[in-house]
Amino acid sequence: QITLKESGPTLVKPTQTLTLTCTFSGFSLSARAVGVAWIRQPPGKALEWLAVIYWDDGKKFSPSLTSRLTITKGTSVNQVVLTMTNMDPVDTATYYCAHVTMIRATTTQFDYWGQGTLVTVSS
Amino acid sequence: DIQMTQSPSSLSASVGDRVTISCRASQSITTSLNWYQQKPGRAPKVLIYAASSLQGGVPTRFSGSGSGTDFTLTITSLQPEDFATYYCQQSYSTPYTFGRGTRLEIK
Repeated sequence: QITLKESGPTLVKPTQTLTLTCTFSGFSLSARAVGVAWIRQPPGKALEWLAVIYWDDGKKFSPSLTSRLTITKGTSVNQVVLTMTNMDPVDTATYYCAHVTMIRATTTQFDYWGQGTLVTVSS
Repeated sequence: DIQMTQSPSSLSASVGDRVTISCRASQSITTSLNWYQQKPGRAPKVLIYAASSLQGGVPTRFSGSGSGTDFTLTITSLQPEDFATYYCQQSYSTPYTFGRGTRLEIK
């Protein structure tokens, strides 16, 4: 069974760098057509996709955040790490990681999600 | 970016009702459209992928239709556990974008 869990700080100061880790089990990120995505949700607002890393190490980023984001496979084979630089109070949100199944290039879905972690940006 | 517009933004209905939620893309996305359900304090859950394919384990009262720019999520015979917020999301191209959500409330 596939599970994912996000970990990282709950509070960061403005201008700091946020590092979040997604630890997963039940699948391999080296398996074809698999990826891990990060999605966030400010309190009371809609979902916003941030980034994805695929089995072949391909990466995509939200254009509005691309200069601030890095996504990598972690030192452990079952981890993905997202870093976001220059944090601002508007970045306060619940951050989710999700398993991505790619059925074909234009048909992907976020089919398993972590529980999410609330990150507050405040001095 | 492809913009996803959902309507209505909120909806009141009763147990047993049939409801439809619409989602429109700002350009053609063929059938690259997913629907998610989110309950308060919980992560979203995929219901429908590729516009009309039911995710495993999802009750058959949920169905999706549409292609191109216009899509619909239909829930027949609403159950108490269906009251939640629903989001559409396009997977046609990055950035993958979500609609603003439709909050389904009990009448």
